[in-house]
Amino acid sequence: DVKVTQSSRYLVKRTGEKVFLECVQDMDHENMFWYRQDPGLGLRLIYFSYDVKMKEKGDIPEGYSVSREKKERFSLILESASTNQTSMYLCASSFNNKNIQYFGAGTRLSVL
Amino acid sequence: DQQVKQNSPSLSVQEGRISILNCDYTNSMFDYFLWYKKYPAEGPTFLISISSIKDKNEDGRFTVFLNKSAKHLSLHIVPSQPGDSAVYFCAASATGANSKLTFGKGITLSVRP
Repeated sequence: DVKVTQSSRYLVKRTGEKVFLECVQDMDHENMFWYRQDPGLGLRLIYFSYDVKMKEKGDIPEGYSVSREKKERFSLILESASTNQTSMYLCASSFNNKNIQYFGAGTRLSVL
Repeated sequence: DQQVKQNSPSLSVQEGRISILNCDYTNSMFDYFLWYKKYPAEGPTFLISISSIKDKNEDGRFTVFLNKSAKHLSLHIVPSQPGDSAVYFCAASATGANSKLTFGKGITLSVRP
């Protein structure tokens, strides 16, 4: 079974803090993705990576950065958290040229 | 510009009846379509998919229909069960897009016992 693990289920941070969200997959997938899910807006792609040290902007990259130093790990970084980044964050991974993405359980982030 | 649209935010059906969830897309480059199911406080799980070379794909109680000329797909669940109550996301991808998916906003299905 594919396993995508997100380090935290719930996180509470203060405005201006630097926040790290970690994601690890155990299936040797080339591609990894970060989304946020907000009510009425569905899943929106923040960043994705198709190889180690490679990254591409998704639809809403502003205020975020990512890091992929190892194939199995993809980190989402909020350089200076703001209240409008309160959301559910979802990590996913997939094989190259395969469309099915496998998701982690999500991290509910609250920025106060 | 929303390329994948799920225009109905919610649907309520009686247990045992058919649930029909609709999805429209605008990008003619999309050639692979997926449905995901999401329970609260969990990540989405893959349900069923269809390639643009087909017009129907079936897996147990779940069938997806694709009408390329109308740029429309639908998910049929027969018979519906209370455990099917969840948010369903339609997603689409194009060949060569590094598995990048474009998601709709989702539809909340409630199956009444």
